[in-house]
This record gives sequence, C-alpha cells and structure tokens, in this order.
Amino acid sequence: DAKTTQPTSMDCAEGRAANLPCNHSTISGNEYVYWYRQIHSQGPQYIIHGLKNNETNEMASLIITEDRKSSTLILPHATLRDTAVYYCIGGGGYNQGGKLIFGQGTELSVKP
Amino acid sequence: DSGVTQTPKHLITATGQRVTLRCSPRSGDLSVYWYQQSLDQGLQFLIQYYNGEERAKGNILERFSAQQFPDLHSELNLSSLELGDSALYFCASSVGVGGHNSPLHFGNGTRLTVT
Repeated sequence: DAKTTQPTSMDCAEGRAANLPCNHSTISGNEYVYWYRQIHSQGPQYIIHGLKNNETNEMASLIITEDRKSSTLILPHATLRDTAVYYCIGGGGYNQGGKLIFGQGTELSVKP
Repeated sequence: DSGVTQTPKHLITATGQRVTLRCSPRSGDLSVYWYQQSLDQGLQFLIQYYNGEERAKGNILERFSAQQFPDLHSELNLSSLELGDSALYFCASSVGVGGHNSPLHFGNGTRLTVT
C-alpha cells in the first residue's frame, strides 16, 4: 500500500507557482522522496527526488522538512502543460528491490 | 523521451488468448520493472528484474510471467486473458536496483484491450 498522503486535487493559475504537498510520515532514514507526474495516460515522468536537502532541477524544486515527514513540490511558473496527476513516493520499503509504490496522487489543473 | 521503448503501443485481443509485451530499457540501465494501470486500481507494481534475475514481485497474477534477456530487454507474457486484464502496462528501467538514488524512467506503455 502507498505510504503517502496527498490532496486529491488542486488548481493553479497559469504563471503562478504550484505548491504540491505530501505527507510521508513512515519514511525510513535512507529512503528517498520521489516525485513523478502522469499526463493523460502517458508513462509516468520522473520529476525530482531527494533525501534530506532541498533539491532543484530544471523542472521543479523539492522542499523536504527537517523531520522528513513531509515535502512540497514546487513548480515555479506553472503552464497549461503542467496539468497532470502528480505522485509523491516515500516510505513503504521500496528500497528493497527498488520498486516504487504509487498512491492516488494529486490531480493538478492549471487554468488560464 | 525517457529512452524506454515499449511495443506494441496498442493491442486488442480476445478472452483466453495469450500476448507478449516487449520493453527495451534505457541504455546502461540494468533494472526493468513492469506496472499495470487500470481505471479502478491505479499504478500497480507487478515485477522487477535486475540484470536478468528476478528481484522483486508485486501483485502479479500466476497467468502472467516475465523475463529479462541477456541483452537486458524484457518481455511480459499474459495468458488466459480475461476482460479485467484490459489496462495500460508500463515498463520502467533504472541504472541500479532502484529506490535509494536511482530513479525509475517509464516508457509510454502498451494499451491492452481484451474483448
């Protein structure tokens, strides 16, 4: 079973920052937090991952709380093409084998 | 483009039949994963192979089997197909065994329709 909690849906205005929260209170000390997104039945797309420190890449920023029980994915300037289901993955013992356990995710709608 | 190639993109077949789905991982990736996504179940992990060996098993039915070949491509075999097997089947690959610091990269899937 998924070990994360995310809002079912969120809206964001185009050009504004989208902040997607995730709770992963059962995450172990050596397990990374991963974020993926899925656009309309395409394959899930890797966005970013991190362990303890905040991370940034060309797609997004990841803010992880000090106790590692929650994180926030930030899309700094959301566009209509960012409309997708966003999955946060953390905990569940996935490091044993490497499989990722997906929950239901957050459906992000970016509106003009 | 993730670099993971899945064929065919679409497959329509009848109940009771057998099909084979194929996956070519990203160059250099040793692990291959199979996931099933149906409307009511979300993304479900099926099975993982690492360098030819089965590494982890999820909710894979006994009617389903997979293997990873020496050239690292993988095949998922689905037999005695039922209507409920209609779904998107995704393959993913990673450099190592995944988890830790080894993201999975997904293909665009095979859409299987069983009639």
